[in-house]
Amino acid sequence: NAGVTQTPKFQVLKTGQSMTLQCAQDMNHNSMYWYRQDPGMGLRLIYYSASEGTTDKGEVPNGYNVSRLNKREFSLRLESAAPSQTSVYFCASRTGQMNTEAFFGQGTRLTVV
Amino acid sequence: QKEVEQNSGPLSVPEGAIASLNCTYSDRGSQSFFWYRQYSGKSPELIMSIYSNGDKEDGRFTAQLNKASQYVSLLIRDSQPSDSATYLCAGLDFRRKLTFGQGTILTVHP
Repeated sequence: NAGVTQTPKFQVLKTGQSMTLQCAQDMNHNSMYWYRQDPGMGLRLIYYSASEGTTDKGEVPNGYNVSRLNKREFSLRLESAAPSQTSVYFCASRTGQMNTEAFFGQGTRLTVV
Repeated sequence: QKEVEQNSGPLSVPEGAIASLNCTYSDRGSQSFFWYRQYSGKSPELIMSIYSNGDKEDGRFTAQLNKASQYVSLLIRDSQPSDSATYLCAGLDFRRKLTFGQGTILTVHP
């Protein structure tokens, strides 16, 4: 049982390049989330999908787009990467029922030069 | 203003002491709260969840929720060096939006 799988684990981009971070879960969860983590900032919510077919902005959505491809997969796209997007990105999923916790992927360390 | 705030820290306690971590939230629509622990370079992992007013105990950990004061706390009794980590508080609202605080770095020294 893999849980939440993120690809890639590491990535270096040049300013202006685009890329998509992939996230897949095999727990039949309804809700999925994308966060970024910078030193001293905790986890900041970028976008989330409460259920298949819906997506909503979080705290820091600018510069990102998301796609809930199906119930399993939730991707995060950077259209034109900027150095300010250098961060560790975490994907998480949960059942969608209240009072249930989120499970996290192993993270993607992204550097934009 | 962040929806979930953790203003305490970094926190340093001696081994065997009680560590107290605090969190406040601004959205009265928040219904469930979670404490996660994160070791350096690792993913967050759940310690406890709480959604009713009062205390909830699990081994050395006690979570407290006061909805009137919009306050959540985590107590760690008999702190061990292995408890040294970043502790993240999170709140979940009725839209299933899950937001986290800035985290508190806890160091337990022998």
